[in-house]
Amino acid sequence: DAMVIQNPRYQVTQFGKPVTLSCSQTLNHNVMYWYQQKSSQAPKLLFHYYDKDFNNEADTPDNFQSRRPNTSFCFLDIRSPGLGDAAMYLCATSTGDLRGKFFGPGTRLTVL
Amino acid sequence: SQQGEEDPQALSIQEGENATMNCSYKTSINNLQWYRQNSGRGLVHLILIRSNEREKHSGRLRVTLDTSKKSSSLLITASRAADTASYFCATDVTGANSKLTFGKGITLSVRP
Repeated sequence: DAMVIQNPRYQVTQFGKPVTLSCSQTLNHNVMYWYQQKSSQAPKLLFHYYDKDFNNEADTPDNFQSRRPNTSFCFLDIRSPGLGDAAMYLCATSTGDLRGKFFGPGTRLTVL
Repeated sequence: SQQGEEDPQALSIQEGENATMNCSYKTSINNLQWYRQNSGRGLVHLILIRSNEREKHSGRLRVTLDTSKKSSSLLITASRAADTASYFCATDVTGANSKLTFGKGITLSVRP
C-alpha cells in the first residue's frame, strides 16, 4: 500500500545531542512537510519541500534543519535538542493540489 | 496567531448519537480541511471544502462552511466508539496546499 513511513516511531535523545528523524513515502508526491506537535496543541509547520525547493517557516528555529536527497526521503535534523523540543514530529506529503495531505504516524521525541 | 479554533474543546457522547464540532477562523481562505488523529498517531485527512462550497458529504460526515461568518462545522452522524479521536480543522489560505494552519483540536469520546 502506498504510504508515508516515519522512523523511528519513538526516539530518545539527550539534551544537546544531535538527532535525525526520517520520513519516506511511496506515494511519489512532490511536496513533503515536517510538522511539530506538542502535547494537546495544534500541529505547527516547520518547513516543506516542493520538489527540491526548500521553504522554511519564519519562526522555525535554526536548530531545525531538513534534507531531501530524493523524492522519496526527507530528514529532520535537530542539531542541539533542548527540553522544549520534546514533541511528536509529523511528516506529511501532498501533490500540491486540493486533495489534502497524507500524514505519517509520527515520531515521538523525548529529550532527557 | 492560530487561524483555526475548534469548539468545543472536548465532546463526550453516546454511541449512535450525532457529534457536531465547530471551527472558526480569522482570515479569508481558499479551502478548509478536517483531519482526525487517533491517540499517538498521525493525522488522517477526512474532507476538504472549498471556499465556494457550502456543504459537503462523505459517508457519515457532513461539513458546512459559512465564509461570511468564517466558520465551519463537522457533523458525524450515528457515531461509533471507533470515532473516538481528536478532530482538527485546518485552513489553507493560498490554495496551493503549501501551508495548512491547524486549530488545537477537539477531543471526541464516544461511549459504547
